[in-house]
Amino acid sequence: QVQLVESGGGVVQPGRSLRLSCVASGFTFSSYGMHWVRQAPGKGLDWVAAISHDGSNEYYAGSVKGRFTISRDNLKNILFLEMNSLRDEDTAVYYCARDSNWFDPWGQGTLVTVSS
Amino acid sequence: IVMTQSPATLSVSPGERATLSCRASQSIGSNLAWYQQKPGQAPSLLIYGASTRATGLPARFSGSGSGTEFTLTISSLQSEDFAVYYCQQYNKWPRTFGGGTKVEI
Repeated sequence: QVQLVESGGGVVQPGRSLRLSCVASGFTFSSYGMHWVRQAPGKGLDWVAAISHDGSNEYYAGSVKGRFTISRDNLKNILFLEMNSLRDEDTAVYYCARDSNWFDPWGQGTLVTVSS
Repeated sequence: IVMTQSPATLSVSPGERATLSCRASQSIGSNLAWYQQKPGQAPSLLIYGASTRATGLPARFSGSGSGTEFTLTISSLQSEDFAVYYCQQYNKWPRTFGGGTKVEI
């Protein structure tokens, strides 16, 4: 079955970096665009970034542009999110999701806590 | 595009009908999806194309609307339907979500 599994979350100090991964299985990863969506504790959903199926196009929310980089490895079926210059407000559960214009399915999420 | 959901919280009894609203700040055609999120879980797709049910979704869920006004209706609430519901537009970048409607008992 289609499955997305995120990892790489943890506690990090403000200004530091972290890289998230999302391993995909059960579908032809290289045929789909992919997204990262985050959810701060007790808050709603916040789209972060997207990448086209072949990695040729990237899209970012204004709040992360210039600090976060989305990438993918279509040979290993892995999606990445490189997060630099992290801020307190980046604290959230980060989900990866497959693109069909809408998001389906979603991974279970990985928690990133930015705190000194 | 700003997505606005109302109400923020909807109190409903099991078996009753629930009507959730989502408004876009500009026309998005039918490029709207609805998601359900239960506590401690990832969101899951309910509706796309404003009115097409995701695979396996019970018929008590229905979506309608186009342009700027959209509605998610749950015809007869079951216990498993108490959750938070989000709308999302995919007409333009950046993709944006509404703030959510919590459906509670």
